[in-house]
Amino acid sequence: EVQVVESGGGLVKPGGSLRLSCAASGFTFTNAYMAWVRQAPGKGLEWVGRIKSKTDGGTTVHAAPVKGRFTISRDDSKNTLYLQMNSLKIEDTAVYYCTTDLKDWGQGTLVTVSS
Amino acid sequence: QTVVTQEPSLTVSPGGTVTLTCASSTGAVTSGYDPNWFQQKPGQPPRALIYGTSNKHSWTPARFSGSLLGGKAALTLSPVQPEDEADYYCLLYYGGAGVFGGGTKLTVL
Repeated sequence: EVQVVESGGGLVKPGGSLRLSCAASGFTFTNAYMAWVRQAPGKGLEWVGRIKSKTDGGTTVHAAPVKGRFTISRDDSKNTLYLQMNSLKIEDTAVYYCTTDLKDWGQGTLVTVSS
Repeated sequence: QTVVTQEPSLTVSPGGTVTLTCASSTGAVTSGYDPNWFQQKPGQPPRALIYGTSNKHSWTPARFSGSLLGGKAALTLSPVQPEDEADYYCLLYYGGAGVFGGGTKLTVL
């Protein structure tokens, strides 16, 4: 059974940093494209970014609102996906979902940016 | 800035047929935008329904179908069941970056 479990969310002040993790199991993580999607409270879905498998170059694409502040990375030896979030803004407050390139989804982890 | 537009809300009767659409501010939607569709119920993560315009996941009920219609991506439900009441989101890819539509709230009455 495919499972992705997010962790690392919490309360952080504007301008602060946070790293989210996503532990994956039940599939060959090394071959998988992975993505992050977020959802602000009461709002719609927002695509955050995606990372290809290492065999396909391991390159990343980040959405414009987070480019230069957020970085997606992966550790295939640990079957783990990461989202490093720097220079956080109030508008980054959201539930962050880890997905197997939008097919299988985790339950999400809440990030709250507030002073 | 690219905008993907969906109907904010639709209402359908049980047993009926409804089509949700997904339009791009850049022009006609083609298969090259790799349209995806998702269903989200309150308090739950999204669930993938359709990828690559019209391909279903193993769990996607047969009553859901994806297509291109009049320059837009479309999701058709027929016959609609009460449990289909949910928010539906489409996603299009632009040069490798995904953009979600604002979502359609489907009410089954």
